[in-house]
Amino acid sequence: EVQLLESGGGLVQPGGSLRLSCAASRFAFSTYAVSWVRQAPGKGLEWVSFISASGGSILYADSVKGRFTISRDNSRNTLYLQMNSLRVDDTAVYYCAKDEGTSGAVFDYWGQGTLVTVSS
Amino acid sequence: EIVMTQSPATLSVSPGERATLSCRASQSVSSKLAWYQQKPGQAPRLLIYGASTRATGIPARFSGSGSGTEFTLTISSLQSEDFAVYYCQQYNDWPPITFGQGTRLEIK
Repeated sequence: EVQLLESGGGLVQPGGSLRLSCAASRFAFSTYAVSWVRQAPGKGLEWVSFISASGGSILYADSVKGRFTISRDNSRNTLYLQMNSLRVDDTAVYYCAKDEGTSGAVFDYWGQGTLVTVSS
Repeated sequence: EIVMTQSPATLSVSPGERATLSCRASQSVSSKLAWYQQKPGQAPRLLIYGASTRATGIPARFSGSGSGTEFTLTISSLQSEDFAVYYCQQYNDWPPITFGQGTRLEIK
């Protein structure tokens, strides 16, 4: 069974930085696009960022553009999200999600999530 | 940006009965519509994509229909494990990928 395991969440002050990781296993990571999706406490799902299988195509939600950077290391089967200039409204559980393989944007597997709390 | 609107916000249904959840897009998304189920403390699970194709391992009691701007998720005979929050998501015109605000399906 596909596994996605996020890490790197925690408590950070406004204006601070954090780097999330998502370790993928049990599938050919290098051949699938992946995204980060977040969920603020008690709220719905918000797509954050997308990266294609090769890393050649990268997209961001307007709410994080210029502050977050998505990347991947296919040799390590790992996805990253570098988050800078964090704001209180970035507080959320961050999920990595794998595309099902054709659209880039249908998420057939998700990690368990990692909580990022931005607070002073 | 395509706005996805789900209704109702909360749906109360008895076990064994049928549940019908709605999702409307602010402009046509063709059939590029997915449904997810999320239980408390868990990640979302893909149920339906392409508006009507069940994902791997999803029971036949879950069905999706619609195209353009109006979509429906039907659960034919509710089981106890089906009470959860359901989200629709469009992937026809992105970025951004957009989700509805969710419908909470609760036990009546």
